[in-house]
Amino acid sequence: DADVTQTPRNRITKTGKRIMLECSQTKGHDRMYWYRQDPGLGLRLIYYSFDVKDINKGEISDGYSVSRQAQAKFSLSLESAIPNQTALYFCATSDLGGPDTQYFGPGTRLTVL
Amino acid sequence: GIQVEQSPPDLILQEGANSTLRCNFSDSVNNLQWFHQNPWGQLINLFYIPSGTKQNGRLSATTVATERYSLLYISSSQTTDSGVYFCAVAKRMEYGNKLVFGAGTILRVKS
Repeated sequence: DADVTQTPRNRITKTGKRIMLECSQTKGHDRMYWYRQDPGLGLRLIYYSFDVKDINKGEISDGYSVSRQAQAKFSLSLESAIPNQTALYFCATSDLGGPDTQYFGPGTRLTVL
Repeated sequence: GIQVEQSPPDLILQEGANSTLRCNFSDSVNNLQWFHQNPWGQLINLFYIPSGTKQNGRLSATTVATERYSLLYISSSQTTDSGVYFCAVAKRMEYGNKLVFGAGTILRVKS
């Protein structure tokens, strides 16, 4: 089984809809991250969390919110989806006590019409 | 913030050829990772290499931290090596060690 899973893997939604992307990990890591990738570009950080009670904005947090329900779960919400949020979304984890290596989930392809 | 530049932006190889991808970064870092993004969009960890040299099969990487660059070597390329190669760096305590990605190198290996 994959260590970092994301659901759904693909989603098409309409402008104005609320949508939630979910991430789960079995690596036992404390840190979790949400990134987005736009076509032809690298990834940019949306939010990150160091533990269950810790939530921090990244460089492009406007229009997004997150919830860290448990050490293993980190959800990303789009409160009112807009077309320029169409992107590939990745969840990542890293270990607080180990190397800074980040491990990425398989990604969620989101299309907002 | 840290700037990351990758070169070349595009590379076309014949199967069996060797290649070198370069990553330059603008500040000292405590994390540098190389990723391969396959045609299905999945990001595959290749190396965690903030300094030194590592090898994994046909791939190897070298980071010279004092000169702020890293190189990824692909030997005897195969069609399955096609995809986008990303270099990403992080500076501790900036945005929770967020990774800053370069724009990537698109590699196409022809049979």
